[in-house]
Amino acid sequence: DAGVIQSPRHEVTEMGQEVTLRCKPISGHNSLFWYRQTMMRGLELLIYFNNNVPIDDSGMPEDRFSAKMPNASFSTLKIQPSEPRDSAVYFCASSLSTGMNTEAFFGQGTRLTVV
Amino acid sequence: DAKTTQPPSMDCAEGRAANLPCNHSTISGNEYVYWYRQIHSQGPQYIIHGLKNNETNEMASLIITEDRKSSTLILPHATLRDTAVYYCIVRVWSTDKLIFGTGTRLQVFP
Repeated sequence: DAGVIQSPRHEVTEMGQEVTLRCKPISGHNSLFWYRQTMMRGLELLIYFNNNVPIDDSGMPEDRFSAKMPNASFSTLKIQPSEPRDSAVYFCASSLSTGMNTEAFFGQGTRLTVV
Repeated sequence: DAKTTQPPSMDCAEGRAANLPCNHSTISGNEYVYWYRQIHSQGPQYIIHGLKNNETNEMASLIITEDRKSSTLILPHATLRDTAVYYCIVRVWSTDKLIFGTGTRLQVFP
């Protein structure tokens, strides 16, 4: 398996534009996570899905952020409209949830810069 | 989730054992201890986890105290490639959530 695949790897956009980040989890995994990492706040969990259903979105900063998982092999994180403070590295991770173990596998991240 | 406390940074000579401590004094009986690391600009990588027994795998050993209020991650023979930020996390077994703290920045030097 190629691991968790995120696209794009880098994104530069102007303030006010819509940004869509994409994630393909590892085949067979049933949990998917979106994290954001900045120098100031570290790694923050934004939202996680189990069996394509959002379980906890308490980390989503505000209504400008939305995430979807239309099927087991694809998820998106959308920011509309984007702001400079959204600049960060966004990581997607997936795991096979067994209750006893959550070994999450992370993608390489998308570095977002909003100017 | 229980909070963890880790030293912000540590140094270790190449070839020596790196012992990374973690305090989780408020841990509950159903919470696991997980360790991840993040090498510069990459996604975090799973290392090891445990509940109450000591654990060992090809990457590291995890020593959990009998009262479970603290643990130590041991890299037996540190290499330069082990330079990374190491995160200690506690997770309730019934949830998949992994909440990362600030971690320990380990610098392995020649």
